[in-house]
Amino acid sequence: GNSVTQMEGPVTLSEEAFLTINCTYTATGYPSLFWYVQYPGEGLQLLLKATKADDKGSNKGFEATYRKETTSFHLEKGSVQVSDSAVYFCALSDGSGNTPLVFGKGTRLSVIA
Amino acid sequence: NAGVTQTPKFRILKIGQSMTLQCTQDMNHNYMYWYRQDPGMGLKLIYYSVGAGITDKGEVPNGYNVSRSTTEDFPLRLELAAPSQTSVYFCASRLANQPQHFGDGTRLSIL
Repeated sequence: GNSVTQMEGPVTLSEEAFLTINCTYTATGYPSLFWYVQYPGEGLQLLLKATKADDKGSNKGFEATYRKETTSFHLEKGSVQVSDSAVYFCALSDGSGNTPLVFGKGTRLSVIA
Repeated sequence: NAGVTQTPKFRILKIGQSMTLQCTQDMNHNYMYWYRQDPGMGLKLIYYSVGAGITDKGEVPNGYNVSRSTTEDFPLRLELAAPSQTSVYFCASRLANQPQHFGDGTRLSIL
């Protein structure tokens, strides 16, 4: 079946550091890929998405590129801020759209000033 | 544009009590989902629905029931509350092949 594997957290960075959160997936067909962010005490919000190979999703300085050859969708940001402290979830939607999104276990990011 | 609305936001139950967590969406989404998120953990799918009148079990359905009589509403029922059901519950909805939209969650404690 489809699955998503994220790097284990927590990740602690200093402000302005470079961020990478790894995400790899297993899927049949041509899935769509998503990153969601959950700030403390809130629900999940869509951060970015990519629907086909080589697409780059971007939002709020975050980027992720859909790499079919390595089945990856790593999240990156060049300079993190304290306000980026949150839990980040990688997710996959299969090509049919009929089955629920498959989520990774989440990676907690803490950014310190 | 309200999106996905969950009520109540907080609730404390005694063991053995029952309650219904409400979820409604105004985006005409056909797919709706219920998840639970335990402290420090990821999401676990409880039930989902692909349209009015159709529901299916997710990963952790035991102790819960759902119904989907309308496109807009997808209530989650706990019949006999147990301490293991203490969690944060999230409802979500989407159109096919589109991102899921999440509600703000219901924080449930069972004592």
